[in-house]
Amino acid sequence: DARVTQTPRDKVTEMGQEVTMRCQPILGHNTVFWYRQTMMQGLELLAYFRNRAPLDDSGMPKDRFSAEMPDATLATLKIQPSEPRDSAVYFCASGLMGTDGYTFGSGTRLTVV
Amino acid sequence: SQQGEEDPQALSIQEGENATMNCSYKTSINNLQWYRQNSGRGLVHLILIRSNEREKHSGRLRVTLDTSKKSSSLLITASRAADTASYFCATDDENNDMRFGAGTRLTVKP
Repeated sequence: DARVTQTPRDKVTEMGQEVTMRCQPILGHNTVFWYRQTMMQGLELLAYFRNRAPLDDSGMPKDRFSAEMPDATLATLKIQPSEPRDSAVYFCASGLMGTDGYTFGSGTRLTVV
Repeated sequence: SQQGEEDPQALSIQEGENATMNCSYKTSINNLQWYRQNSGRGLVHLILIRSNEREKHSGRLRVTLDTSKKSSSLLITASRAADTASYFCATDDENNDMRFGAGTRLTVKP
């Protein structure tokens, strides 16, 4: 089965450091989402892309977060500088708009100390 | 911001019983999807129902959609211990983004 691959699986970093999370969507999928999941806030939509173009990143703190899709095989989410409140599990999902659902990666568990 | 809201927040049943979870949303949608999440793992897509559909089945899953009430329900029949997980609804709206509710935590006791 095709998979969405996220790296790293786990990341522990110190406050103030830059963090980059990567996502390899399924080949042929034209839509990529980034979500953040915490106990308090649940699943929050951070940003999403269609055909590599960013459509909505209103869920992201713009001053420290950035999301890009340099090519069709890679989506990145960067936090600079990181803060303890950024600790969460970050999920990437890909799919074809209008078809039967989206495939999620296994997530990156980020801990900022 | 979240779009869908699941109800109840938590549900505990015995194996073999049916489990019903509800989802309410606020805006017009293109489709509504249900996902399952086992603890510590990514979400798995279960079923998608389009705005012009009223009911859909997949194995032991039955989903209904009432666009006039902006609500959906997920029924799992003959539940098993392996169905223990969190269940989320997600709405695909006019902007084609996909927003999730807070989820229902289902526990199926053997």
